Amino acid sequence: ILNVEQSPQSLHVQEGDSTNFTCSFPSSNFYALHWYRWETAKSPEALFVMTLNGDEKKKGRISATLNTKEGYSYLYIKGSQPEDSATYLCATGVANRDDKIIFGKGTRLHILP
Amino acid sequence: DAGVIQSPRHEVTEMGQEVTLRCKPISGHDYLFWYRQTMMRGLELLIYFNNNVPIDDSGMPEDRFSAKMPNASFSTLKIQPSEPRDSAVYFCASSGDRGSPIYNEQFFGPGTRLTVL
Repeated sequence: ILNVEQSPQSLHVQEGDSTNFTCSFPSSNFYALHWYRWETAKSPEALFVMTLNGDEKKKGRISATLNTKEGYSYLYIKGSQPEDSATYLCATGVANRDDKIIFGKGTRLHILP
Repeated sequence: DAGVIQSPRHEVTEMGQEVTLRCKPISGHDYLFWYRQTMMRGLELLIYFNNNVPIDDSGMPEDRFSAKMPNASFSTLKIQPSEPRDSAVYFCASSGDRGSPIYNEQFFGPGTRLTVL
């Protein structure tokens, strides 16, 4: 069974500070790594889909890196703002002939004013 | 496009009743996914369709759950009979207008919050 682990489970960060959290996944048979942001009372929205080892993607103050050989991805938020408060989910593909992705349980980020 | 549409947004029902959740995917997407979100398990995949055909229903908890996709623009998830432990938020997502959803983002609907009393 594919296991996608995210840490920490929850995080409190002062507004203006930068932060990062981790997604770990099996490094064998890697296909793609997804990051989603899920705000309270809304639905998950995609941030990045990454496939290449060493890849780095950026959207505004949020960026992500990918290490497929050791099976982890980091999500970074620079200069946290209140609107960054959300749950951040990562997910990874299961197999080449299976089109589903498996989600981790997420990191819940709280930005303190 | 209006995005993925789900109805109803909220459903409160009594144990034993039949519940039907509905989803309209984004036009042109040929993959549709049903997820359930609970505190204990997070976001778990129940079933997914490709070109209206169910591909993997291994996440469906038991025979009380069934899903159909009669055409490319409509899918239902039915629970009969419903039980209190089915209470959760059910999301529909679509993807795949550019190949396998493993490599492409999924677009989620607003979800249906189901409460079974």
